[in-house]
Amino acid sequence: KQEVTQIPAALSVPEGENLVLNCSFTDSAIYNLQWFRQDPGKGLTSLLLIQSSQREQTSGRLNASLDKSSGRSTLYIAASQPGDSATYLCAVVGGTASKLTFGTGTRLQVTL
Amino acid sequence: NAGVTQTPKFQVLKTGQSMTLQCAQDMNHEYMSWYRQDPGMGLRLIHYSVGAGITDQGEVPNGYNVSRSTTEDFPLRLLSAAPSQTSVYFCASSPSTGGKGNTIYFGEGSWLTVV
Repeated sequence: KQEVTQIPAALSVPEGENLVLNCSFTDSAIYNLQWFRQDPGKGLTSLLLIQSSQREQTSGRLNASLDKSSGRSTLYIAASQPGDSATYLCAVVGGTASKLTFGTGTRLQVTL
Repeated sequence: NAGVTQTPKFQVLKTGQSMTLQCAQDMNHEYMSWYRQDPGMGLRLIHYSVGAGITDQGEVPNGYNVSRSTTEDFPLRLLSAAPSQTSVYFCASSPSTGGKGNTIYFGEGSWLTVV
């Protein structure tokens, strides 16, 4: 059974700092990995999708990497801003078409 | 540009009552799914559908029913509500089965409390 772990569970950083969020998964037979952002009381917004054949994806200040063989992904946020404060979730798609397995998320707070 | 729309946003039920959470998408997506989100457990898949007329169970299907009579709608029915079903429910859709290589779109959630 696929298990996805995100460390740390919570993180507080001052504005302007670069930071890395970690995601690990136990079964490397995945189709893709996605990073989502969730604001309090809201749904999930997709940030980046990395196909299993890719090593990284970039969108603005966000960069996500994937090392499928070691079961790890990182989300790098450059020059963090208070507006980046949210919970970040990673999810992997593997096995049958339906199997999207989520981590429990990292709650990020960027302080002024 | 509605995307994925869920109703209601908040609901309180008594144990044993039944209700339906509505989900609609206007993107002509084949794949739709329902998740529940509980503290410390992440999102877990309840049921999913790969197209109109086709549904299947996810990780935690017990106590829930779904149907997919149209491409747009994917309602989730709670047959006899239990306190263990107190949770936040999210509907999601994507262009093709299982979100392989496709972005998944989520609704804003339905907060359900069973007393």
